[in-house]
Amino acid sequence: GALVYQYPRRTICKSGTSMRMECQAVGFQATSVAWYRQSPQKTFELIALSTVNSAIKYEQNFTQEKFPISHPNLSFSSMTVLNAYLEDRGLYLCGARTGGARAETLYFGSGTRLTVL
Amino acid sequence: GEKVEQHESTLSVREGDSAVINCTYTDTASSYFPWYKQEAGKSLHFVIDIRSNVDRKQSQRLTVLLDKKAKRFSLHITATQPEDSAIYFCAAHQGGRALIFGTGTTVSVSP
Repeated sequence: GALVYQYPRRTICKSGTSMRMECQAVGFQATSVAWYRQSPQKTFELIALSTVNSAIKYEQNFTQEKFPISHPNLSFSSMTVLNAYLEDRGLYLCGARTGGARAETLYFGSGTRLTVL
Repeated sequence: GEKVEQHESTLSVREGDSAVINCTYTDTASSYFPWYKQEAGKSLHFVIDIRSNVDRKQSQRLTVLLDKKAKRFSLHITATQPEDSAIYFCAAHQGGRALIFGTGTTVSVSP
């Protein structure tokens, strides 16, 4: 079956420092990877959608300068939170899906919970 | 862009009763509508989905209804069990784009 591994599960960083999280697809080819942040209020914000061989599309309020994403192949993606501050805390989720017109189901990793001190 | 509104923020039901969660969307081009479940402290788990070429889909105790005219879709859980307790998220998107999520409904099933 399709599995997505995301690590680390939890991370604590000091205000102003950076942290990187990684996402690995197992059992399928991750043509597209979407990164989300779940706020303490539980709502999900889409950060960006990365599709292999296409430009990464960032949503409003999120920039490549702050959340650089790498998607070098069909099984791996990473995202860094640069200069993390309190407002960046939350659960970050990667969701991956394979290509094809009907292959729309996103499979999610376990999430990386970011705490900023 | 697409906006998804999830109408019930909380839902409390007795074990064995039915639960219904309603969502609306704004973009008529959206064609795929999945539902996810998040248990306490865990990630999103895919539950069921529906595509715009049908208006109903059932999987065991779960049924999804889609009304494209009203831009509304709903999740019906029958014969609820305590393990159905979780936060349920609806989502919508057009092909090739990312999912946009609703705000979540906390379902509590009491014995």
